Amino acid sequence: EVQLVESGGDLVQPGGSLRLSCIASGLTFSNYWMGWVRQAPGKGLEWVANINKDGNDKYTVDSVKGRFTISRDNADSTLYLQMNSLRAEDTALYYCARVQCTGGNCYPWSGWFDSWGQGTLVTVSS
Amino acid sequence: EIVLTQSPATLSLSPGERATVSCRARQSVSNYLAWYQQKPGQAPRLLIYDASNRATGIPARFTGSGSGTDFTLTISSLEPEDFAVYYCQQRSNWPITFGQGTRLEIK
Repeated sequence: EVQLVESGGDLVQPGGSLRLSCIASGLTFSNYWMGWVRQAPGKGLEWVANINKDGNDKYTVDSVKGRFTISRDNADSTLYLQMNSLRAEDTALYYCARVQCTGGNCYPWSGWFDSWGQGTLVTVSS
Repeated sequence: EIVLTQSPATLSLSPGERATVSCRARQSVSNYLAWYQQKPGQAPRLLIYDASNRATGIPARFTGSGSGTDFTLTISSLEPEDFAVYYCQQRSNWPITFGQGTRLEIK
């Protein structure tokens, strides 16, 4: 059974930084693209970032580009999201998810999310 | 970015009834559309990928259809555990986008 466990969420002031982690088990981590999806309180889902299997291709949504960086450590089966220059609008539950894709139009930024963690809460407020 | 519009925003039905949720894309996404179910306090769960393929372990009462700009998620006969929020998601064009969600509530 695939398990994804996020950590690192916290209350942080605007302009601050956080690093989220996601430890994966029950899968060969290095065989999969991975991603982060967030959900603001009471709102819908927003894709944040994806990363390819070896960590060399990274994709982020424009609203966090230049501030958030996705990375991975395949030796430790861990996915990361470094979040800098945080804003109030970044307040959300951040989910780690496995990306899957078959058939056409498969790129590391594309795919669907077939396994999810339970999320870690980031609150940006003074 | 491709905007996905779901309708209705809220659907009130009784167990045993048929549910139909629509997702419309502003431009064609071919068949690159997925559906998720989310219950309160839980992570989303993949139901359907690439418009009509049921994910592993998803009951046959969930069916996805459509292509291009118009898609439908149908639940043939509602079970009590199906009352939740449903989201569509496209992977045709960067960035990945989600619909705003449809809340399926018990009437």
